[in-house]
Amino acid sequence: AQKITQTQPGMFVQEKEAVTLDCTYDTSDQSYGLFWYKQPSSGEMIFLIYQGSYDEQNATEGRYSLNFQKARKSANLVISASQLGDSAMYFCAMREFRTGANSKLTFGKGITLSVRP
Amino acid sequence: EAQVTQNPRYLITVTGKKLTVTCSQNMNHEYMSWYRQDPGLGLRQIYYSMNVEVTDKGDVPEGYKVSRKEKRNFPLILESPSPNQTSLYFCASTQTGGYGNEQFFGPGTRLTVL
Repeated sequence: AQKITQTQPGMFVQEKEAVTLDCTYDTSDQSYGLFWYKQPSSGEMIFLIYQGSYDEQNATEGRYSLNFQKARKSANLVISASQLGDSAMYFCAMREFRTGANSKLTFGKGITLSVRP
Repeated sequence: EAQVTQNPRYLITVTGKKLTVTCSQNMNHEYMSWYRQDPGLGLRQIYYSMNVEVTDKGDVPEGYKVSRKEKRNFPLILESPSPNQTSLYFCASTQTGGYGNEQFFGPGTRLTVL
């Protein structure tokens, strides 16, 4: 089974509207961290937001928020007031306790977001 | 400025010609890692290092070597590149301890093996 599932093939949103990018994860660990990264067409990986498995509140960073539903094992990224510069590929990733000293991130396949003017 | 640098950014080579992709970080991070990104597969870990002279295989280590002789540098070596190693490669570093530590990624190296 995939550890990180991002099934939306491509998303479109109108500028200034909000958009939700879906991510579900699979782990039997109690301790884990969830990350979202943005990859624009230039290729670099930009860290957006982090949610810890024990965090009771949803993480927020500016226009980004993470809708964390632990029982459903979902960690959806919400981008409010979309901007043209938000057009990019978005990756959900997980760091599990079981990897020990290896701070490995397990990534999903990514979702392409296109913001329309 | 805190950063991870990689060189070269782009490389086109031929099958069997040894190459090295360099990676350096200026944040004094103990942990460094290499990933490759392929369409439809996301990023997958190749090798990682927890400190100087401590390295281990990730999920897709075949055909790659690494070394960690200095804390700041973590080169990726392809002894005999093959076309299936054509990919986008990322070096990353992070402080050890804690699940929330951000991994800092380099700008990526786009490798084409003909």
